[in-house]
Amino acid sequence: SAVISQKPSRDICQRGTSLTIQCQVDSQVTMMFWYRQQPGQSLTLIATANQGSEATYESGFVIDKFPISRPNLTFSTLTVSNMSPEDSSIYLCSVGTGSNQPQHFGDGTRLSIL
Amino acid sequence: EDKVVQSPLSLVVHEGDTVTLNCSYEVTNFRSLLWYKQEKKAPTFLFMLTSSGIEKKSGRLSSILDKKELFSILNITATQTGDSAVYLCAVVPSGGTSYGKLTFGQGTILTVHP
Repeated sequence: SAVISQKPSRDICQRGTSLTIQCQVDSQVTMMFWYRQQPGQSLTLIATANQGSEATYESGFVIDKFPISRPNLTFSTLTVSNMSPEDSSIYLCSVGTGSNQPQHFGDGTRLSIL
Repeated sequence: EDKVVQSPLSLVVHEGDTVTLNCSYEVTNFRSLLWYKQEKKAPTFLFMLTSSGIEKKSGRLSSILDKKELFSILNITATQTGDSAVYLCAVVPSGGTSYGKLTFGQGTILTVHP
């Protein structure tokens, strides 16, 4: 399966600031997704990162808060904007190569907001 | 709205025990069901199930899907302390605007004591 590098691995940020998380894959992939996992909760899909076009956001998530870029088939970024303590979560990117293949996840970014 | 329910939510066993984790689902157009193991941040892929009644095995782990009753089980035999983790079940819808999107259950926290 693809090797997925996500960084930073963790960060502690001040409220009101923004942080950009990077997801790099060692091969071209069809699908890239961003998930959030709040403390003690399961994974919730934030958006589908579309190559060369605007991301597709799930209900409850908006572009102004979570802008996403995907300039090519191997790289994507998620920015968490104007952070508040409620944004403290693990953020995960996942990649898929087709509907008959499982998605694989990056190592995740543990984000804490003070 | 797609829904995945896992049970039990937590389980404590001793090394050598056998455990069965359950996952039931409701999805509009079902394509597959995935099991993941999450130890720290990143979920790691275990099984992908698309057909009923066909058991998938990997060492001490096995899983099976029942598409008529809409559930899957994950069995772990001769448990070891290294099996301690959160086990996540997710469903994949087929086609349309939901293409590739995973809906996760709450997870089962498995703790294996020596």
